[in-house]
Amino acid sequence: RKEVEQDPGPFNVPEGATVAFNCTYSNSASQSFFWYRQDCRKEPKLLMSVYSSGNEDGRFTAQLNRASQYISLLIRDSKLSDSATYLCVVNTGRRALTFGSGTRLQVQP
Amino acid sequence: GAGVSQSPSNKVTEKGKDVELRCDPISGHTALYWYRQSLGQGLEFLIYFQGNSAPDKSGLPSDRFSAERTGGSVSTLTIQRTQQEDSAVYLCASSLEVIGADTQYFGPGTRLTVL
Repeated sequence: RKEVEQDPGPFNVPEGATVAFNCTYSNSASQSFFWYRQDCRKEPKLLMSVYSSGNEDGRFTAQLNRASQYISLLIRDSKLSDSATYLCVVNTGRRALTFGSGTRLQVQP
Repeated sequence: GAGVSQSPSNKVTEKGKDVELRCDPISGHTALYWYRQSLGQGLEFLIYFQGNSAPDKSGLPSDRFSAERTGGSVSTLTIQRTQQEDSAVYLCASSLEVIGADTQYFGPGTRLTVL
């Protein structure tokens, strides 16, 4: 079983739609959680950290459920520029990050 | 300020040759990481350097892979006797490695193609 699992997608949604991505992780001792965004042929960039209480940054909302070992990302009012691959990332305490394979989002006009 | 830089951006080599990939982390970042990403895959951890501590080499896939970090700054990843399965994008990242500020910043990567 992979340490971090994501639905690979692709998710094809129209502009303005709300889309949700889910991620599960296997190591219950995991300490910190992130969503990174990766554009085609570019390096990953931090989108947002994920906190136990849930957190919001503009159109993006991230939630963490430690009991279920589940992380989610909600994008409201999708823009064309949101098209990218979204990587669920977990710090298992090994210092290096553990990445999911990513969920590809394509927002269509 | 300047971000993480990597060179070369692209490298094409023949099977069996050695290659060296370079990473310049963000100034002041004490932690440096190497990952690789094969086509359509997630990032795979290779090696981690933190200050003067012994590196965490647990992700290196074989003894053909090695890395060093000189003077706590620039790092070089060396792949000896390259194989076709080594073809991937090799990404370097750095971070402050301070509790609560462990965001990793990635360089643009080196795309390695082994023919």
